[in-house]
Amino acid sequence: AQSVTQLDSQVPVFEEAPVELRCNYSSSVSVYLFWYVQYPNQGLQLLLKYLSGSTLVESINGFEAEFNKSQTSFHLRKPSVHISDTAEYFCAVDFQKLVFGTGTRLLVSP
Amino acid sequence: EAGVAQSPRYKIIEKRQSVAFWCNPISGHATLYWYQQILGQGPKLLIQFQNNGVVDDSQLPKDRFSAERLKGVDSTLKIQPAKLEDSAVYLCASSLGGGAHEQYFGPGTRLTVT
Repeated sequence: AQSVTQLDSQVPVFEEAPVELRCNYSSSVSVYLFWYVQYPNQGLQLLLKYLSGSTLVESINGFEAEFNKSQTSFHLRKPSVHISDTAEYFCAVDFQKLVFGTGTRLLVSP
Repeated sequence: EAGVAQSPRYKIIEKRQSVAFWCNPISGHATLYWYQQILGQGPKLLIQFQNNGVVDDSQLPKDRFSAERLKGVDSTLKIQPAKLEDSAVYLCASSLGGGAHEQYFGPGTRLTVT
């Protein structure tokens, strides 16, 4: 079955520390990969996406994700987080329709 | 550019009652989606429209859920009768097309069934 796994339900981190949010998926064919962010009481917003080409994709606010085909992973990273990055992050894979992981809550404290 | 609008934002009903949610997508977006997000889970696609036609409704519980997109613009999702397990946030999203196109999400409707 097609699935998206986010093993970490919650990741606490101090401000200015690096962070990695993990995402693995099950597929043997090429897929489109996405990271969405959900701030409290708001809808989901696209953070970044991988469609083809360079395996490293970046967002405008310092996040980046690397597509690893052999490990079927699309982990999200940021070298230095801010308090304002506190939110829920969802990995999603387009298996003819968008399938979301269960989400990882990033908690940034001072 | 106005975003995806949804109403109401919150709804509390008793089980066996009916409820309806409304969504107005971004102007010009041909594709509209309804998702169900249960607490602690990621959004799950219920139904996808392309203009006013249904593309995918394989995960819509058709014995109680129905959705329509008349005129290919706004859409309504109805639950009748509601069950306790329907308590969730119902998200509407729209995009220019399917697949690689970015989906833009509304703020959602939080439904509580008591």
